[in-house]
Amino acid sequence: EIVLTQSPGTLSLSPGERATLSCRASQSISSSYLAWYQQKPGQAPRLLIYGASSRATGIPDRFSGSGSGTDFTLTISRLEPEDFAVYYCQQYGGSPRYTFGQGTKLEI
Amino acid sequence: QVQLQESGPGLVKPSETLSLTCTVSGGSVSSYYWSWIRQPPGKGLEWIGYVFYSGSTDYNPSLKSRVTISIDTSKNQFSLKLSSVTAADTAVYYCARREGSYGSFDYWGQGTLVTVSS
Repeated sequence: EIVLTQSPGTLSLSPGERATLSCRASQSISSSYLAWYQQKPGQAPRLLIYGASSRATGIPDRFSGSGSGTDFTLTISRLEPEDFAVYYCQQYGGSPRYTFGQGTKLEI
Repeated sequence: QVQLQESGPGLVKPSETLSLTCTVSGGSVSSYYWSWIRQPPGKGLEWIGYVFYSGSTDYNPSLKSRVTISIDTSKNQFSLKLSSVTAADTAVYYCARREGSYGSFDYWGQGTLVTVSS
């Protein structure tokens, strides 16, 4: 099983600051198959980034993804109040077919 | 705009079978992979399994012995059955569409809370 470990567990920042979230895989995965999601309380996850670095439709350009192999990063360049949420990374292709990280809570 | 909507009982007794249906509107189930994903209260996301429009399936090995996912293209729906449930199966259950090439989930239902309790 490919395990995704996200760090930090909680990130405390202020609006206007830069956020850097990490996702580390237990074994190398294809960059094509790494995604990031945002989840707010009571809502379904929303796809932000697919293929490690491509923004999904309608996602602001302050969100960017990077990385390869086992280390991936989600960066939010200038935090807006609506960005405070939980963020998950997800991989496709291992066994089980899809796994998620445990999440990073971004709080004010 | 594709929309997904889960439906089914919100309360299931231990040892019984959980049954949910996802209705897809604004698009056809006759393409793409359609998944069920769950989230226990206050915890992370767990992929349960998927069905392709052809009827082929794949399941999380941790749940495989208890899960059946099926599709009804005539109704534009797909369904989840999880047998022999326990309190550990209490979760918000989401249905989701996997986009074409990158293995990510681009459309999600709003989720439905299923509680396992007598």
